[in-house]
Amino acid sequence: GDSVTQMEGPVTLSEEAFLTINCTYTATGYPSLFWYVQYPGEGLQLLLKATKADDKGSNKGFEATYRKETTSFHLEKGSVQVSDSAVYFCALRDDKIIFGKGTRLHILP
Amino acid sequence: DARVTQTPRHKVTEMGQEVTMRCQPILGHNTVFWYRQTMMQGLELLAYFRNRAPLDDSGMPKDRFSAEMPDATLATLKIQPSEPRDSAVYFCASGFDRGRGTEAFFGQGTRLTVV
Repeated sequence: GDSVTQMEGPVTLSEEAFLTINCTYTATGYPSLFWYVQYPGEGLQLLLKATKADDKGSNKGFEATYRKETTSFHLEKGSVQVSDSAVYFCALRDDKIIFGKGTRLHILP
Repeated sequence: DARVTQTPRHKVTEMGQEVTMRCQPILGHNTVFWYRQTMMQGLELLAYFRNRAPLDDSGMPKDRFSAEMPDATLATLKIQPSEPRDSAVYFCASGFDRGRGTEAFFGQGTRLTVV
């Protein structure tokens, strides 16, 4: 079946550092890809999405590019802030939405 | 500001009791998902509805869990009887299917503790 694999956390960075969270997927069809973010005590919020190969999703300084040839959708941000501390989930949707296990991000001031 | 509403936000119950969690999807959305989140398993899909019809409940323990949509404004997830291993945060999400790429919007979750 379809699956999503993302890098284990926690990831700890200093403020203004460059962020990459790796995500790869396995799918029988041609899925759409998403990154969601979860802040403590809250539900998941959509951060960005891409629906076809080579699409780049972007929001709040975060970016991810749909790479069909490598089945990847890595999340990047050029300069992280303390407020970016959260859990980040990579997900795919062909029919139902399948999530990775999440990567906890800590940003130190 | 449209949002998915889940009730209750917190529930503590004794083992063996029935638990009912409720979800009000965003008005006009035609798909509803139920997920369970634990530290060990992450986000597990329990059930998925489109136009109130169940499409996939393969992730749900059938002997004790049931999910329904009595109408387009209400989805329910019931556990009977509850067990300590059911302790988790249960999320409902809704979306509008219009082909590929449609995301889901999540509620705040119900934190269930079974003692």
